[in-house]
Amino acid sequence: GESVGLHLPTLSVQEGDNSIINCAYSNSASDYFIWYKQESGKGPQFIIDIRSNMDKRQGQRVTVLLNKTVKHLSLQIAATQPGDSAVYFCAERSGNNNDMRFGAGTRLTVKP
Amino acid sequence: DSGVTQTPKHLITATGQRVTLRCSPRSGDLSVYWYQQSLDQGLQFLIQYYNGEERAKGNILERFSAQQFPDLHSELNLSSLELGDSALYFCASSWSSSSYNEQFFGPGTRLTVL
Repeated sequence: GESVGLHLPTLSVQEGDNSIINCAYSNSASDYFIWYKQESGKGPQFIIDIRSNMDKRQGQRVTVLLNKTVKHLSLQIAATQPGDSAVYFCAERSGNNNDMRFGAGTRLTVKP
Repeated sequence: DSGVTQTPKHLITATGQRVTLRCSPRSGDLSVYWYQQSLDQGLQFLIQYYNGEERAKGNILERFSAQQFPDLHSELNLSSLELGDSALYFCASSWSSSSYNEQFFGPGTRLTVL
């Protein structure tokens, strides 16, 4: 069936560097995407979202890019900080219902 | 703190038993979503309630059921528990019935089935 997946399970970056986390999706009908951050022992936390009629959306230190041609989503974190260390996962909404499908997650580790 | 509360934080029970997980949404939020997060399946949407009515259903087993009460808190009932039901169960809330809006997640209930 349709699925959401992540290219890399782990990512280690130096403090101050930029981080890029990738996500591939296979459902071309998906019209809404969200990136979540999940710290150890906590529930997922909304970071940024993007609708399928956009290619790029920026937040505070984060940018989400959507490439519908290749069904790819990325999260860019600028000037990565130790507090950014967490698991990040993407989610997609397929449009016909409220069913959100989540990727497996990428663990980001920020080295001081 | 998201404003969403879940109880209990941890639950340990035996196979075949039944448990109830409780969620109180953020003040003003009418939608409650339930999710299961396990090591091998990741985060999976189970069910959504909006203002007391079932709004959407995901990968929820027939052994599981949920409801939302007039005060908007919600309960997830898991029965005939199996080892594979061990997981983190999250609820999330949002103000609208649509999932096009930010959901605020609670801290989760960790269920261990022995």
